Amino acid sequence: SYVLTQPPSMSVAPGKTARMTCGGNNIGSKTVHWYQQRPGQAPVLVIYYDNDRPSGIPERFSGSNSGDTATLTISRVEAGDEADYYCQVWDRTSDHRDVVFGGGTKLTVL
Amino acid sequence: QISLKESGPTLVKPTQTLTLTCSFSGFSLSSSGLGVGWFRQPPGKALEWLALVYWNDNKRYSPSLKSRLSITKDTSKNQVVLIMTNMDPLDTATYYCAHSSGSPVWFDPWGQGILVTVSS
Repeated sequence: SYVLTQPPSMSVAPGKTARMTCGGNNIGSKTVHWYQQRPGQAPVLVIYYDNDRPSGIPERFSGSNSGDTATLTISRVEAGDEADYYCQVWDRTSDHRDVVFGGGTKLTVL
Repeated sequence: QISLKESGPTLVKPTQTLTLTCSFSGFSLSSSGLGVGWFRQPPGKALEWLALVYWNDNKRYSPSLKSRLSITKDTSKNQVVLIMTNMDPLDTATYYCAHSSGSPVWFDPWGQGILVTVSS
């Protein structure tokens, strides 16, 4: 089965840029979605189709995907961005079609 | 506006069968391209996908749990039901349902979740 690898944690100061990675074998050939999960809350979609933002998501959130790494970038980080972030892909082969999540990255705003 | 809400027992005993219902509004599961997925998250751990049902009644299951899961939809009631058999304390988690769309699918929005504890 397909595996997505995310660093367990990262920290960034307010106003700086956070770049979270999601690694997978040739993930650039797949489409990546990203979710934000604040403590005690349900996940929220923040990026779909690698770099599209749902309505209501600030332009500070952006994504990229190439080679073996997808990246979620949060510019001008705010205290409210402190959350767990998960990447997700659709793994399709000749014999299965599965939803796959990464293990999540906990973003701490210093 | 789309909304979803999970309901069901919050405490089940080991070996019992869990039945969860996702009740939704703001969309119809007869609309092409749409679906509803189920997920879970053990306390302090990562999200895990469980199952997905599409508007055309196609169904997908997590390979690791496929033998224990069943997902069905009731379009007239705007509900999706997940059944998980042979519950174990390791199945203790918050269970979420979510609206799916797109190709490949993404999930948005999500329900508030329901914490299910497995204990004797």
